[in-house]
Amino acid sequence: QLQLQESGPGLVKPSETLSLTCSVSGDSISKNNYYWGWIRQPPGKGLEWIGSVYHDGSTFYNPSLMSRVTISVDTSKRQFSLRMSSVTAADTAVFYCAGHTGAAFDRWGQGTLVSVSS
Amino acid sequence: SSELTQDPAVSVALGQTVTITCQGDSIRSYYPTWYQQKPGQAPVLVIYGTNKRPSGIPDRFSGSSSGNTASLTITGAQAEDEADYYCNCRDSIGNLHYLFGAGTKVTVL
Repeated sequence: QLQLQESGPGLVKPSETLSLTCSVSGDSISKNNYYWGWIRQPPGKGLEWIGSVYHDGSTFYNPSLMSRVTISVDTSKRQFSLRMSSVTAADTAVFYCAGHTGAAFDRWGQGTLVSVSS
Repeated sequence: SSELTQDPAVSVALGQTVTITCQGDSIRSYYPTWYQQKPGQAPVLVIYGTNKRPSGIPDRFSGSSSGNTASLTITGAQAEDEADYYCNCRDSIGNLHYLFGAGTKVTVL
């Protein structure tokens, strides 16, 4: 069964770059018509889609974040990654990686809390 | 871009039926999905393609859609259904862009 696991630093300084990796197991990262995405959730708030990547490297970003976000995929390592630059305290959130079809996010990682603080 | 609007909170008596709604222009074009999230846990898909349930989701959960409004109904709510519920839909503004509603807190009394 498909499983996803986020990893990365839990604390990032303001103005620096947040980097997270999601490891995929239990299924192929190169599945057709299946995408890999990042979603964040600030403490006590709702979900926000950040962006997604396809196994061929095609990317799709939330317009409100795309100037600061890069998502990439490494099929040889069965991983995909998120980089978010120039972070502020407002970027403090639980970050989830997820697998999705064109319509539904059907597999989620457990989430990882990233705090932005000096 | 579009938005998805949900009521912040609803309550339901144990064993009764509750319907939560999600409004947005994108729902006219794309199938809505619904996720359940309990405290400290990742969201779980409960309804996709407007009214389909993934394996393992009880049949007391059902979905529907009309015009710009999607609905999630819990028929015979159980204590374990107390959670936040988020609607989700592709955004009509661009290819493979996604929106989430702000979530509805369902309290089972």
